[in-house]
Amino acid sequence: SAVISQKPSRDICQRGTSLTIQCQVDSQVTMMFWYRQQPGQSLTLIATANQGSEATYESGFVIDKFPISRPNLTFSTLTVSNMSPEDSSIYLCSGESGGGSYNEQFFGPGTRLTVL
Amino acid sequence: GENVEQHPSTLSVQEGDSAVIKCTYSDSASNYFPWYKQELGKRPQLIIDIRSNVGEKKDQRIAVTLNKTAKHFSLHITETQPEDSAVYFCAAGTGNKLTFGGGTRVLVKP
Repeated sequence: SAVISQKPSRDICQRGTSLTIQCQVDSQVTMMFWYRQQPGQSLTLIATANQGSEATYESGFVIDKFPISRPNLTFSTLTVSNMSPEDSSIYLCSGESGGGSYNEQFFGPGTRLTVL
Repeated sequence: GENVEQHPSTLSVQEGDSAVIKCTYSDSASNYFPWYKQELGKRPQLIIDIRSNVGEKKDQRIAVTLNKTAKHFSLHITETQPEDSAVYFCAAGTGNKLTFGGGTRVLVKP
């Protein structure tokens, strides 16, 4: 399976600011996703990052708050905008290779965000 | 949309015993059911998965069973070892989207 890296690994930010998280895969993947994981909780899908078009957001998540880019098949960014303490969480990207039937999703190491 | 429930939320077993985690899902269209293991501070790692055309799959000490009629699937870990201690997540998917269960914290006592 491909290897995913994320930058930064952690950050502490002030409320009202924005943070952009980068996700890099070492090989081309068909699908990329962004998840949020509160400490000790499960994973919640934020959006599917679509190459060359707007991301597909899940219920409760909007583009103005979480703009996503995916310029090619190996890279994506997630921005957390106008942050508040409620945005403190771990943000994970994942990738899935292969077309047609469902294939394995593998995850990046996560970005631990603390908003003060 | 899909809803996945996972039980128990915590599970403590003696080393060498078996552990069973159960999940139910709501969307009958779901056709892919992976299980992830997440150690503290680490990324989720896929440990086994099953597709809807298969009822059971085994990989060494871990196995997964699927009952599509009842819409539930289970993870079985035999001969548990301390390194099996982690949080385990089930998930159900259709197309390219996964919905995760709430997680089970497994503690294997030596």
